[in-house]
Amino acid sequence: QVHLVQSAAGVKKPGDSVKVSCEASGYTFNKYGINWVRQAPGQGLEWMGWISGYNYNTNYAQKFQGRVTMTMDTSTRTAYMDFRGLRSDDTAIYYCARGGGAVPTVMSDYWGQGTPITVSS
Amino acid sequence: DIQMTQSPSSLSASVGDRVTITCRASQGISNYLAWYRQKPGKSPELLIFDTYKLQSGVPSRFSGTGYGTDFTLTISGLQPEDVAIYYCQKYDSAPLSFGGGTKVEIK
Repeated sequence: QVHLVQSAAGVKKPGDSVKVSCEASGYTFNKYGINWVRQAPGQGLEWMGWISGYNYNTNYAQKFQGRVTMTMDTSTRTAYMDFRGLRSDDTAIYYCARGGGAVPTVMSDYWGQGTPITVSS
Repeated sequence: DIQMTQSPSSLSASVGDRVTITCRASQGISNYLAWYRQKPGKSPELLIFDTYKLQSGVPSRFSGTGYGTDFTLTISGLQPEDVAIYYCQKYDSAPLSFGGGTKVEIK
């Protein structure tokens, strides 16, 4: 059974950084990638980017270039999303979702439970 | 970037009704289209991929059609557990954009 378990909720101040983790189980980790998707309060889904489980290539949405870094630790089967320079409008639930292994052009078939991040002074 | 537009933004229907949601891409995306359902307070779940293929465990009342720029999700016989927001997503190329969502309620 595929499971993606994310880190707990957090509260950050403007300008801070946050690192969200996503621990995977139930499948061959390096055959799939991880997409990161966020959802602001009462809003829709926004794709942030993808990291390959095959070769750690990344593809970030232009909006987040320079502020986001996605990594993977194969030894712990965990993906990470490091987000810097937080602003109040970054307040959202951040989801990881299983995606393509070698290329980003695959649907997300399993999702984590979400990590709420609140940015407030 | 290709934009995804869903309509309607919300709808209200009776149990047992046939419900149709439309998703339009600003450029052709072949059949690289997925539909997700997000129940209140929950994570999204994959319903349909490659335009029409049902994800394992998804009830057969859900179906998808389309190609290129115009796509539809149909629920044939709305059930109370279908109250949710439905999103389409393109994955022909990055960025993997989502539509704005369609909120489905029971009348």
